[in-house]
Amino acid sequence: GAVVSQHPSRVICKSGTSVKIECRSLDFQATTMFWYRQFPKQSLMLMATSNEGSKATYEQGVEKDKFLINHASLTLSTLTVTSAHPEDSSFYICSARDRTVTDTQYFGPGTRLTVL
Amino acid sequence: EDQVTQSPEALRLQEGESSSLNCSYTVSGLRGLFWYRQDPGKGPEFLFTLYSAGEEKEKERLKATLTKKESFLHITAPKPEDSATYLCAVRYIKAAGNKLTFGGGTRVLVKP
Repeated sequence: GAVVSQHPSRVICKSGTSVKIECRSLDFQATTMFWYRQFPKQSLMLMATSNEGSKATYEQGVEKDKFLINHASLTLSTLTVTSAHPEDSSFYICSARDRTVTDTQYFGPGTRLTVL
Repeated sequence: EDQVTQSPEALRLQEGESSSLNCSYTVSGLRGLFWYRQDPGKGPEFLFTLYSAGEEKEKERLKATLTKKESFLHITAPKPEDSATYLCAVRYIKAAGNKLTFGGGTRVLVKP
């Protein structure tokens, strides 16, 4: 099956620093990737849609200058949380859209961000 | 308003006690209904895609069905390893960028 990886799986940083999270599709090309945020015992909240070679589309209420997204290749998208604060602590999950066969989004394992 | 609602929010089952989870949707122009399983601290794992009313998909103890208004995920003779949160999501015509709209999930706990 389609595999999506995320790195790092867990990160702890100090307030004010920036953190980059990588999302890779390992066995398929993904022209579209998605970034989600998930709070404890809640469902996934879409933050932005990342399209290869173009600017990301952000959902309403998501600060584009705070959450920088780059989709430089067909297998890699990155999310950079800039000037992180404790309220940015959360579980961040990416997904990649496999347009072959079932046109399905496959999810990465997630990144747990803790900002001290 | 376009919505996806899952029920119940939580479900406790004894091992072997079959049950069904519901996902109702009020979107028009459905382009796919997806079921995922999520374990604590992990990303969702893809289970099924359903495209049209009457369609059914099966995988081990799980069976997903679809009507014009809702989908059911049937768990037959569940085992403790079936404990997880089950998420449904829909893709529909009005949703830009092929994004998915998720329901709130159903937390399933299967006791031995």
